[in-house]
Amino acid sequence: QVQLVESGGGVVQPGRSLRLSCAASGFTFSTYAMHWVRQAPGKGLDWVAVISYDGNNKYYADSVKGRFTISRDNSKNTLYLQMNSLRAEDTAMYYCARGGYYDTSGYNWFDPWGQGTLVTVSS
Amino acid sequence: EIVLTQSPATLSLSPGERATLSCRASQSVSSYLAWYQQKPGQAPRLLIYDASNRATGIPARFSGSGSGTDFTLTISTLEPEDFAVYYCQQRSNWPTFGPGTKVDIE
Repeated sequence: QVQLVESGGGVVQPGRSLRLSCAASGFTFSTYAMHWVRQAPGKGLDWVAVISYDGNNKYYADSVKGRFTISRDNSKNTLYLQMNSLRAEDTAMYYCARGGYYDTSGYNWFDPWGQGTLVTVSS
Repeated sequence: EIVLTQSPATLSLSPGERATLSCRASQSVSSYLAWYQQKPGQAPRLLIYDASNRATGIPARFSGSGSGTDFTLTISTLEPEDFAVYYCQQRSNWPTFGPGTKVDIE
């Protein structure tokens, strides 16, 4: 079955960096766009970034642009999110989610989602 | 950015009742609207896409309707496992989500 498993979360000080990973299985990873979506504790959902199926197109929410980098390794069926210059407001559960088939636009539904990895930015 | 608003914020109902949830967009999103269900401690799950299409494995008691700026998610007969938070999301532009409607037990 289709499965997404995130890892790499933890507690980090403001200004520091963290890299999240999302291991995919059960589908042809290299044919789907992939997204990161986050949810602050007790709050709603916020889209963070998307990468096209081939890695050539990347788009970011304004709140993370210039600080976060999305990437993928199709040979390893893995999605990444490099987060630099972290702020307290980046504290959230980070979910990876599958986007569109052979999509390059980023305008997708999210199905399925991983279970999430928690990032806490605190001194 | 396309802003989505959901109403009501909380819907208190009993099992067996009908639930009607609303989502309104700040500008037309055509039929590019989805609904998700999220239970405590779990990731969201796609229920409805393109306004009215049920995702794989979603029971027939869930239905979606609407186009343009006004959309509705209907749960025809609430089951105990349906008490959760429901989010709408648009993909007409960069994805945005509504703030959610919590369906709780009256």
